Amino acid sequence: GEDVEQSLFLSVREGDSSVINCTYTDSSSTYLYWYKQEPGAGLQLLTYIFSNMDMKQDQRLTVLLNKKDKHLSLRIADTQTGDSAIYFCAESSRDDKIIFGKGTRLHILP
Amino acid sequence: DTEVTQTPKHLVMGMTNKKSLKCEQHMGHRAMYWYKQKAKKPPELMFVYSYEKLSINESVPSRFSPECPNSSLLNLHLHALQPEDSALYLCASSQETADSGNTIYFGEGSWLTVV
Repeated sequence: GEDVEQSLFLSVREGDSSVINCTYTDSSSTYLYWYKQEPGAGLQLLTYIFSNMDMKQDQRLTVLLNKKDKHLSLRIADTQTGDSAIYFCAESSRDDKIIFGKGTRLHILP
Repeated sequence: DTEVTQTPKHLVMGMTNKKSLKCEQHMGHRAMYWYKQKAKKPPELMFVYSYEKLSINESVPSRFSPECPNSSLLNLHLHALQPEDSALYLCASSQETADSGNTIYFGEGSWLTVV
């Protein structure tokens, strides 16, 4: 079945780059997503990438997709304290669902 | 405008109560979703509506009853819930359903506590 895996925790010093990694299993996924969830809040769509793309950049965010290895990453440049949140990787599945990873908690060190 | 609005933000209900969660979007999206999220867990899909018709029910207990009165509104009726149903309930919408390659936008969620 479909599965999305990501590491649970990441600590990064303020001003450094954060890289959150994710692997997925459904090779037919059309879209892959990154969502951000701050404490007590809903999910904010950060960015997404079509499966036929290798890279997408949006301001401080860079998404890299390696379709052969089914590996997705999110790079946040110049990490700020406001970036502290849980980041969910997700893939669209053929039966109209979004499959979420367990989320990576990003902790910013001063 | 990519807003999905959910009300109420917080709800406390007893196990014998009947209450409803409401969700609204004005983006012209034709697919709407209910997700349930427990603390420190990813969201879990409950229901999908496509063109106002229920297309997916992820074996959700009948004490949760979804309703889609029109293309902009999605309700979740709650009756005889259990304390373990306490969670964040997230509504989402997309232009079409997920497999059609459309991004899904989430609301801020309704925090439900069952006492």
